[in-house]
Amino acid sequence: DAGVIQSPRHEVTEMGQEVTLRCKPISGHDYLFWYRQTMMRGLELLIYFNNNVPIDDSGMPEDRFSAKMPNASFSTLKIQPSEPRDSAVYFCASSSIADKYEQYFGPGTRLTVT
Amino acid sequence: LAKTTQPISMDSYEGQEVNITCSHNNIATNDYITWYQQFPSQGPRFIIQGYKTKVTNEVASLFIPADRKSSTLSLPRVSLSDTAVYYCLVGDLTGTASKLTFGTGTRLQVTL
Repeated sequence: DAGVIQSPRHEVTEMGQEVTLRCKPISGHDYLFWYRQTMMRGLELLIYFNNNVPIDDSGMPEDRFSAKMPNASFSTLKIQPSEPRDSAVYFCASSSIADKYEQYFGPGTRLTVT
Repeated sequence: LAKTTQPISMDSYEGQEVNITCSHNNIATNDYITWYQQFPSQGPRFIIQGYKTKVTNEVASLFIPADRKSSTLSLPRVSLSDTAVYYCLVGDLTGTASKLTFGTGTRLQVTL
């Protein structure tokens, strides 16, 4: 398996623009997580899904952030409108029902909002 | 919410045993403890997980005391390639109120 795939790897956008980050989890995994990492706040869990259903979205910063998982092999994290403080590395991770705490992380998307 | 605290940094010589402790005083009954390693420009990588007592795998050991308010990751004989940031993650995935929370991370520097 190729592991967790994220795209794009880098995104530079202007404030106010819509940003969509994409994730393809490992085939057969039941859990999908979205994290954000910054120097100031470290690694933060934004939302996670189990069998495509959002379970905990309490980490989503505000209404500008939304996440979807239309099927078992694809998820998106959307920011609309984007702001400079959203600049961070966004990681997607997945895990299986048998080893749900053993998360496999993708390479991340580095987002810069100017 | 299980807040976690770790030392900011540690230094070690190659070949030594390194122990990194994570404090999680508010850990909940259903919470598991997981440790991850992260290299620059990469996503975290799973090392080990546990609920109580001691867990050992091919790369590390995890010690959890009876009260579970802390945990210690033990790396038996570190090498230069173990230089990385180490995070503990506490929480559960049963859909209860306990949320997955990463520690602040410990930057381990291994030298010759």
